[in-house]
Amino acid sequence: DAGVIQSPRHEVTEMGQEVTLRCKPISGHNSLFWYRQTMMRGLELLIYFNNNVPIDDSGMPEDRFSAKMPNASFSTLKIQPSEPRDSAVYFCASSIGWGSPLHFGNGTRLTVT
Amino acid sequence: AQTVTQSQPEMSVQEAETVTLSCTYDTSESDYYLFWYKQPPSRQMILVIRQEAYKQQNATENRFSVNFQKAAKSFSLKISDSQLGDAAMYFCAYRSALGGGADGLTFGKGTHLIIQP
Repeated sequence: DAGVIQSPRHEVTEMGQEVTLRCKPISGHNSLFWYRQTMMRGLELLIYFNNNVPIDDSGMPEDRFSAKMPNASFSTLKIQPSEPRDSAVYFCASSIGWGSPLHFGNGTRLTVT
Repeated sequence: AQTVTQSQPEMSVQEAETVTLSCTYDTSESDYYLFWYKQPPSRQMILVIRQEAYKQQNATENRFSVNFQKAAKSFSLKISDSQLGDAAMYFCAYRSALGGGADGLTFGKGTHLIIQP
């Protein structure tokens, strides 16, 4: 049974470049979440979707960040243009809802130079 | 908004001993869920244990158990017979029961657990 799949595992890019992170949630899960983890701020919820619809994007730090979920099995988080302060580990997680735990992918470590 | 506080940035325990990690939270809600996650150096987020706020009985998963004190808004994790593989960051997390279960988790800052051989 495949878990949440994220790609790439590592991404190194130069400031100003566009970055796209990808996520495939667990089949049957109806909620999807994007988190960012840094030493300074810990785990922050960026945005979440329910049944492919964005519910709350108040955690998205700036307009440079955008997320989409075109179907139940795929989501992207895009940063354009990227900046060094965006360097972090980005996690995608999915859940079947109503108090069930979130299942996390292995994360993407993003480094912006 | 809910907040989760883990007051111990780092804890150390001898292998085979018992250790307790602290977590407190602030909420005005009466129904919610609490979790402990483990993050080893591989950075994978692994669910350790889950507690429903409406249940008085403390959750247990093998060597892991919680002490849930709803009135005190406290949710500590006890690890018995500590093993080297328990070394990791441990995160306490809160999930509201409102919103049809579509809300995310609010995490504490984490406790780094060191196991001394």
